[in-house]
Amino acid sequence: EAQVTQNPRYLITVTGKKLTVTCSQNMNHEYMSWYRQDPGLGLRQIYYSMNVEVTDKGDVPEGYKVSRKEKRNFPLILESPSPNQTSLYFCASSPILGLAAYNEQFFGPGTRLTVL
Amino acid sequence: SQQGEEDPQALSIQEGENATMNCSYKTSINNLQWYRQNSGRGLVHLILIRSNEREKHSGRLRVTLDTSKKSSSLLITASRAADTASYFCATHARTGGFKTIFGAGTRLFVKA
Repeated sequence: EAQVTQNPRYLITVTGKKLTVTCSQNMNHEYMSWYRQDPGLGLRQIYYSMNVEVTDKGDVPEGYKVSRKEKRNFPLILESPSPNQTSLYFCASSPILGLAAYNEQFFGPGTRLTVL
Repeated sequence: SQQGEEDPQALSIQEGENATMNCSYKTSINNLQWYRQNSGRGLVHLILIRSNEREKHSGRLRVTLDTSKKSSSLLITASRAADTASYFCATHARTGGFKTIFGAGTRLFVKA
């Protein structure tokens, strides 16, 4: 089954304790992205990646790191989480067909993170 | 910065009625997409309209795009209780990299 998986689905942690949220897709998509969703603000893009070893900042990258060492995986790293990073996080992937042809994104189920 | 902005923020209708949601954006775009989200779950793609298209249909969905006004609308005809969800527009700008920008969404409630 074609899908985007995220782990963990729920996480409660404390300020300053490094954590990683994993994201994996089995559709051979080039484009992968991380979003956070907060009430009333919709989804805001954190980082995205056009392909292996190619990553770029979205609108809210502060406090986050990503890496793209393999095409299927795109982990999100919070080196020193703070309470304002409490949010619902989504990973998504999409095929790229030509430079200007953006396609539908397939979303993972979400990771609900609470930072105390 | 948020580019897509939907209105209304919330909409409550009776089953069988039509629901219209609007999205405005600020910069030139390659395409505009509409997504649906059920109660905190992952988003599901509904329809994509390219910048050179003016209208597109998919089942009970009709999307229009007016690039001169930088706006789009999503019409759901003959709504059903199962259409209750949040709806988001997403845009990809022509410049500034390959960012995706989502609006804040419209929460639709369809009463049976």
